[in-house]
Amino acid sequence: AQKITQTQPGMFVQEKEAVTLDCTYDTSDQSYGLFWYKQPSSGEMIFLIYQGSYDEQNATEGRYSLNFQKARKSANLVISASQLGDSAMYFCAMREGSLGAGTASKLTFGTGTRLQVTL
Amino acid sequence: ETGVTQTPRHLVMGMTNKKSLKCEQHLGHNAMYWYKQSAKKPLELMFVYSLEERVENNSVPSRFSPECPNSSHLFLHLHTLQPEDSALYLCASSQTGNSGNTIYFGEGSWLTVV
Repeated sequence: AQKITQTQPGMFVQEKEAVTLDCTYDTSDQSYGLFWYKQPSSGEMIFLIYQGSYDEQNATEGRYSLNFQKARKSANLVISASQLGDSAMYFCAMREGSLGAGTASKLTFGTGTRLQVTL
Repeated sequence: ETGVTQTPRHLVMGMTNKKSLKCEQHLGHNAMYWYKQSAKKPLELMFVYSLEERVENNSVPSRFSPECPNSSHLFLHLHTLQPEDSALYLCASSQTGNSGNTIYFGEGSWLTVV
């Protein structure tokens, strides 16, 4: 079974509107982290937002918020007030297990959602 | 400007060539990574260097050889590649044990094997 599932290959949103990008995950670990990245056509992966499995509040970073529903194992990204510059691929990723002092973060990525912001 | 820089940004090489991708991080992190991104496939972790220890994905062919001389520099040595190795290669870094342990990526190196 896939660990990270992004069911929307592509999405359109009008400028200034909000959009939700879906992400569901599968893990048996109690401790894990969920990440969202943005990838413009240039190729760089840009970190957007992080949610820890024990965090009780939904993470927010500016126009980005993460709708974390632990029981449903979903971690949807909400972008408010979309801008033309938001057009890009968006990837959901998960780190499983707790962090030790020397533990590197091995992420598993979904297949991504291509977001197109229109006028 | 990203704290992780990769060179070259674009590379075209023949199947008999030997080339290297270079990555440098300016974030003071102690773990570095190579990821491969092929068309229509999820990003695939190739190698991890953490506190001078190397962890690799056993499915990565031996024609890819990583080198991490220190915590700021990471190389990916390429030799006798195949056309299916054409992909975007992303370098990344993080601080181990850190809350969130967020991975920060470079801009990637686009590799074409002809």
